[in-house]
Amino acid sequence: DTAVSQTPKYLVTQMGNDKSIKCEQNLGHDTMYWYKQDSKKFLKIMFSYNNKELIINETVPNRFSPKSPDKAHLNLHINSLELGDSAVYFCASSQETSGQETQYFGPGTRLLVL
Amino acid sequence: KQEVTQIPAALSVPEGENLVLNCSFTDSAIYNLQWFRQDPGKGLTSLLLIQSSQREQTSGRLNASLDKSSGRSTLYIAASQPGDSATYLCAGNTGGFKTIFGAGTRLFVKA
Repeated sequence: DTAVSQTPKYLVTQMGNDKSIKCEQNLGHDTMYWYKQDSKKFLKIMFSYNNKELIINETVPNRFSPKSPDKAHLNLHINSLELGDSAVYFCASSQETSGQETQYFGPGTRLLVL
Repeated sequence: KQEVTQIPAALSVPEGENLVLNCSFTDSAIYNLQWFRQDPGKGLTSLLLIQSSQREQTSGRLNASLDKSSGRSTLYIAASQPGDSATYLCAGNTGGFKTIFGAGTRLFVKA
């Protein structure tokens, strides 16, 4: 069973389009994250959600809107896609109330904006 | 502001060699430090997590240490194997659900 899953795995789209990436975890965790890994492989946190509430929004453009319908899901919607949005987006989850526990990562969604 | 640096950026060693990967962080007020492995085109796999009250953790051929006072962590890999080839990332948790990653060390173990 996949602990943290993301769909789609690959996403190729035109500049200006709107797209969504879905993330689900079956670990019963209460905290979920979105990370962006750029072309230089540098991983940066974008959002953290704890019990469906936004905890961290790391100066991400408001074209990015996370949505957590329940504790097991954290989706990422991106409006008006730009070339610079091309990257690998990773979802992760952890069981923690203070941000101190192991994070489990999904396989990533490779986004290419043309 | 927490910054995490990893040295070296890349490392190539012959099979069987013991090796050390280095990670340094600027803010000693760290809750934990985690080492991950990333294979090409894949997600991250957690290897070891060291809480701020601990000094080291071991798993099989891997040993990670944490020295908060000097702002350093090391990942020691014993008897390296070609299957250990991957990118190794360290990440510092400063609390508040925020984890800061280093840029990684790309390891290649030659058979």
